[in-house]
Amino acid sequence: DGGITQSPKYLFRKEGQNVTLSCEQNLNHDAMYWYRQDPGQGLRLIYYSQIVNDFQKGDIAEGYSVSREKKESFPLTVTSAQKNPTAFYLCASSIVRGTSYTSTDTQYFGPGTRLTVL
Amino acid sequence: AQSVTQPDIHITVSEGASLELRCNYSYGATPYLFWYVQSPGQGLQLLLKYFSGDTLVQGIKGFEAEFKRSQSSFNLRKPSVHWSDAAEYFCAVARNDYKLSFGAGTTVTVRA
Repeated sequence: DGGITQSPKYLFRKEGQNVTLSCEQNLNHDAMYWYRQDPGQGLRLIYYSQIVNDFQKGDIAEGYSVSREKKESFPLTVTSAQKNPTAFYLCASSIVRGTSYTSTDTQYFGPGTRLTVL
Repeated sequence: AQSVTQPDIHITVSEGASLELRCNYSYGATPYLFWYVQSPGQGLQLLLKYFSGDTLVQGIKGFEAEFKRSQSSFNLRKPSVHWSDAAEYFCAVARNDYKLSFGAGTTVTVRA
């Protein structure tokens, strides 16, 4: 089955520790995204990547880092610099057909990782 | 900047009754609009999308949405809700840089 997997589903970390969230897709999608979800705030974009070895900051990138070494993988590291890391993190992917959004396809989402920092 | 407003934070509806969720967007050009649904603790599932053409869009699970340019709206409807429709619903608009802007979401509670 094609889809997006995120692991782990629940993650607990002590304050001050870096933690890496996994996102893998086998949809052969070009673009991948990381969102943060907090109650009552919808989804906010952290980072996105349109092609391998390239990524851009989203709206709330401070305290986060990413890499895109393979097309199917887009891990997110929540660093100790992130002031309020406890949240639900969602990964998504989409096809990129051209150079404008009109050329991209719908974003499909993984099941999410709930990170709790103690 | 492109943005989305979902005026209703929480809606309660009886099973079998109709449902309408409101979405207003702010965007200068032709918007690309989406509705997603999220069950508790889960990812988002696409219900339907509007890119162009017919302004009444049919989606999965019996949902439909109507794009009204004059009102800058993209409201989601379902004629008869089922208990399994209890979830959080998000409207989103595609920005012109591969990104989506999401509304804050509307939580739907279905009572027996």
